[in-house]
Amino acid sequence: DTGVSQDPRHKITKRGQNVTFRCDPISEHNRLYWYRQTLGQGPEFLTYFQNEAQLEKSRLLSDRFSAERPKGSFSTLEIQRTEQGDSAMYLCASSPRGEGNGEQYFGPGTRLTVT
Amino acid sequence: KQEVTQIPAALSVPEGENLVLNCSFTDSAIYNLQWFRQDPGKGLTSLLLIQSSQREQTSGRLNASLDKSSGRSTLYIAASQPGDSATYLCAVVILTGGGNKLTFGTGTQLKVEL
Repeated sequence: DTGVSQDPRHKITKRGQNVTFRCDPISEHNRLYWYRQTLGQGPEFLTYFQNEAQLEKSRLLSDRFSAERPKGSFSTLEIQRTEQGDSAMYLCASSPRGEGNGEQYFGPGTRLTVT
Repeated sequence: KQEVTQIPAALSVPEGENLVLNCSFTDSAIYNLQWFRQDPGKGLTSLLLIQSSQREQTSGRLNASLDKSSGRSTLYIAASQPGDSATYLCAVVILTGGGNKLTFGTGTQLKVEL
């Protein structure tokens, strides 16, 4: 299967701990996006990479959040000193180079629960 | 700031009924609009994408229309089935910094009953 994959699928952590999520986009997709979805809401944009460059970050991405895409392939999203409000589904998406039709392809998500 | 609204928030229908889900957006300067399906606790499955120059797209029992000038899109589901039960999300695409940022509505939770 060559879809977007995310790891882990579920993460339970205690408040104050650091967590890191990984996203592997579809091969040859040079654009990668992170979104966050809280219960009962639609996903909200967090950040966007084109190749290894992080080109946009949302105001939602506080100083405790950092995202990287060091080789322009997989990406990691780290949350430091987790808070209960960080509990959410973290979704990754990718899209191919060029404008195309703008379609984004989503992974299965990582569900984070902060206790 | 682009805002996307979906009505109704929840819908329960008997099997076989045709139904319409509504999506409205405040800024008509969109690149395209995408409809997604989300099953509980799962990721997003793309259903239909309508480019800003198009009026509608069809896939099987699904038909999505777009009226960019009025800031509206509808998703029509024909002959609904229990397997259609899920949350349906619409999202508009805005070009930004060379990428495409999605702005989502809060979704319509659909339940199709036997």
